[in-house]
Amino acid sequence: DQQVKQNSPSLSVQEGRISILNCDYTNSMFDYFLWYKKYPAEGPTFLISISSIKDKNEDGRFTVFLNKSAKHLSLHIVPSQPGDSAVYFCAARDITSGTYKYIFGTGTRLKVLA
Amino acid sequence: DVKVTQSSRYLVKRTGEKVFLECVQDMDHENMFWYRQDPGLGLRLIYFSYDVKMKEKGDIPEGYSVSREKKERFSLILESASTNQTSMYLCASSVSRGAKETQYFGPGTRLLVL
Repeated sequence: DQQVKQNSPSLSVQEGRISILNCDYTNSMFDYFLWYKKYPAEGPTFLISISSIKDKNEDGRFTVFLNKSAKHLSLHIVPSQPGDSAVYFCAARDITSGTYKYIFGTGTRLKVLA
Repeated sequence: DVKVTQSSRYLVKRTGEKVFLECVQDMDHENMFWYRQDPGLGLRLIYFSYDVKMKEKGDIPEGYSVSREKKERFSLILESASTNQTSMYLCASSVSRGAKETQYFGPGTRLLVL
């Protein structure tokens, strides 16, 4: 049972426009959420995170929004650039077992068209 | 900069072989993780460790074991490799900083089991 879902496997956006990547989760005990970016043949790299006590976190062109009541988070990239083309994973931290564990979504492949 | 290295980028093994995947981090991180990444399934946690000689099962530990004899090194062992263990294996490390924790990933090992 997938606790963290990224329902869009791929997304294409024109350069300069906004990219919105979505992520839904089912466990209300998740306390921390992260977005990672992954290029082919490389490991994921950390992009931005948000604590469950906040609803927005911004870092340059990247903003993450958290809607706890809907159990939904989204990553906005404005403006999108061709170098943003990658697979994006959202992840949630699960503290219910007493130790921290991360649950990842299946990823969304973003393609930014020049 | 945090550096997480994995012993091999590509490995080809035969069914039944014992396989060792090594991961080393140079930032004195307490926490280390092993994931596998498969198309359509995202990153799935195999094992993690919060201290030397400590290990915790992740979501898919079957067929794997781990060893953490030194803080900087976390090894993943496939006791008897099978074709369904063909995958991309990613190691990560992190240090807990109160509410915030970021995982740093290695470049991955692509394992093919014939």
